[in-house]
Amino acid sequence: ELKVEQNPLFLSMQEGKNYTIYCNYSTTSDRLYWYRQDPGKSLESLFVLLSNGAVKQEGRLMASLDTKARLSTLHITAAVHDLSATYFCAARGWRGGSQGNLIFGKGTKLSVKP
Amino acid sequence: SQTIHQWPATLVQPVGSPLSLECTVEGTSNPNLYWYRQAAGRGLQLLFYSVGIGQISSEVPQNLSASRPQDRQFILSSKKLLLSDSGFYLCAWRASGSYEQYFGPGTRLTVT
Repeated sequence: ELKVEQNPLFLSMQEGKNYTIYCNYSTTSDRLYWYRQDPGKSLESLFVLLSNGAVKQEGRLMASLDTKARLSTLHITAAVHDLSATYFCAARGWRGGSQGNLIFGKGTKLSVKP
Repeated sequence: SQTIHQWPATLVQPVGSPLSLECTVEGTSNPNLYWYRQAAGRGLQLLFYSVGIGQISSEVPQNLSASRPQDRQFILSSKKLLLSDSGFYLCAWRASGSYEQYFGPGTRLTVT
């Protein structure tokens, strides 16, 4: 059964600092997703990573995937207050267990303070 | 372009009352459709998914049910709500053969 773990679950950062959110998954998966959720809102798609070594960047966020280590990272560069949100990673289950559906981590609540 | 709608946006219902939440997708055909629930301060739990009209798969046994009467319509129902049914219900869609999955705006349900 595919399980997805994120850490940390809570992250308080100062503006201008760098930090990384980690996402580990337990079994083979061919896709890794990152979403952002603002309080009271729905999920917004940030990145989809499809292959080992994939790296995608958007503004101050950069996501990478290491399928051998079953690890994805979301790196935040020079954080600003607007990045405060909850970030979820999700892996796609492979055959048998999760029918190809996304399995989500518990989310990382990021708070960026001046 | 594709859009996804959910209604109502918010709902307050007493315990034991019925429930019907609706999700519709525009601009695509034969999408995969999903219902998720997010309890307060928690992650997302997949409740149901559908790959076509009348085809519903349940991930978690509960007092909820889902139906897909039309290609781009997905309905979540309950005959009798429980307090534990409170949460943020999100509908999502994915085009067949695509890897992007998009979420609707959500319905916030409070059972009192």
